[in-house]
Amino acid sequence: DAGVIQSPRHEVTEMGQEVTLRCKPISGHNSLFWYRQTMMRGLELLIYFNNNVPIDDSGMPEDRFSAKMPNASFSTLKIQPSEPRDSAVYFCASSFEQFYEQYFGPGTRLTVT
Amino acid sequence: GDSVTQMEGPVTLSEEAFLTINCTYTATGYPSLFWYVQYPGEGLQLLLKATKADDKGSNKGFEATYRKETTSFHLEKGSVQVSDSAVYFCALSDLGGANNLFFGTGTRLTVIP
Repeated sequence: DAGVIQSPRHEVTEMGQEVTLRCKPISGHNSLFWYRQTMMRGLELLIYFNNNVPIDDSGMPEDRFSAKMPNASFSTLKIQPSEPRDSAVYFCASSFEQFYEQYFGPGTRLTVT
Repeated sequence: GDSVTQMEGPVTLSEEAFLTINCTYTATGYPSLFWYVQYPGEGLQLLLKATKADDKGSNKGFEATYRKETTSFHLEKGSVQVSDSAVYFCALSDLGGANNLFFGTGTRLTVIP
């Protein structure tokens, strides 16, 4: 199995631009998680889906952030408009069920200038 | 609520030294406990897990025992190597309580030759 796939691996954008991060979970996994990691705040859960349905989005910082999972094999995290404080590494993870161990993707390093 | 408290880092050890990273937890139900490792520039990887009291998880020379009486899951390794340099995260998943994975803040380990 290829593992969790994320794209792009690196993204540099200017403040105010829209950013879309993509994730392909491991085939057969039905739970998908989006995390953000920064030096200041560590690893934060932003949102997670179970069977393509958003279950808990309480970690999403504000309305500029949105996430979708249109099918079992694809999810997006969108930031519009982006701000410099959004600079972080964004990880996607998937699991067989929401209580099982999670498998992380390599992350997308986002820099907003 | 559910939470994980992890030993503050960073930790610097010489090669072949003994490693302990402390982790204690608070949970309302019957948690499963995990240690994840993050190597530089990569996503988190599951290192080991234990699903019930007195279970011992082990992998790559690392061990951790689920101690319900002390609500702890300390990570140990008898002889660390330079290649063990990474950030280690303790985590819990509580089937009887919250429905996602709670991570500790991470402990950075540096092993010097």
